[in-house]
Amino acid sequence: AQSVTQPDIHITVSEGASLELRCNYSYGATPYLFWYVQSPGQGLQLLLKYFSGDTLVQGIKGFEAEFKRSQSSFNLRKPSVHWSDAAEYFCAVGPGSEKLVFGKGTKLTVNP
Amino acid sequence: KAGVTQTPRYLIKTRGQQVTLSCSPISGHRSVSWYQQTPGQGLQFLFEYFSETQRNKGNFPGRFSGRQFSNSRSEMNVSTLELGDSALYLCASTRGQGRTTEAFFGQGTRLTVV
Repeated sequence: AQSVTQPDIHITVSEGASLELRCNYSYGATPYLFWYVQSPGQGLQLLLKYFSGDTLVQGIKGFEAEFKRSQSSFNLRKPSVHWSDAAEYFCAVGPGSEKLVFGKGTKLTVNP
Repeated sequence: KAGVTQTPRYLIKTRGQQVTLSCSPISGHRSVSWYQQTPGQGLQFLFEYFSETQRNKGNFPGRFSGRQFSNSRSEMNVSTLELGDSALYLCASTRGQGRTTEAFFGQGTRLTVV
């Protein structure tokens, strides 16, 4: 069965610090992987996606993620966090974009 | 271009009633997927429609249904509402063809069942 695990429910970082959000997936075929961000009461915005090719993918807002097949991981990183990055982050996997399985999310708090 | 539009944004219904939510996809997108988001279960896939046909279905009871019109707009219906149906319902649209398509999400409809 397909599943996504985000081990960290809540992470707090200081503004300017680096960030890494973890994501592990279980998928029977070649996975399509996504990271979405959600601000309170809002929909989801795509940060980045991995379909194939280079395992380090760049996204919007300075985020990047690295696909590691051997570890079934797709961790999200940002070198320097801004206060506006405070939100909830979701990792997702699917056969494409139409039927996504999401992790439970990681809530990011940014301290000034 | 206009994004995905969901109406209404907020709804309050009573147990036992039924509700219909609407989703207008991005122009040119033919696939609409629906998701339920709750604090306990997180984001769960309900169903996906492509060209007026249900193409994928999640693990929800038959009280949850949907349809898609020829202009790709989609509605989902929940009958005999239960307190546990209180959630944020999100829809997402994609072109629907080819795997390398991006899903764009609406802002959601917040349903409260009392």
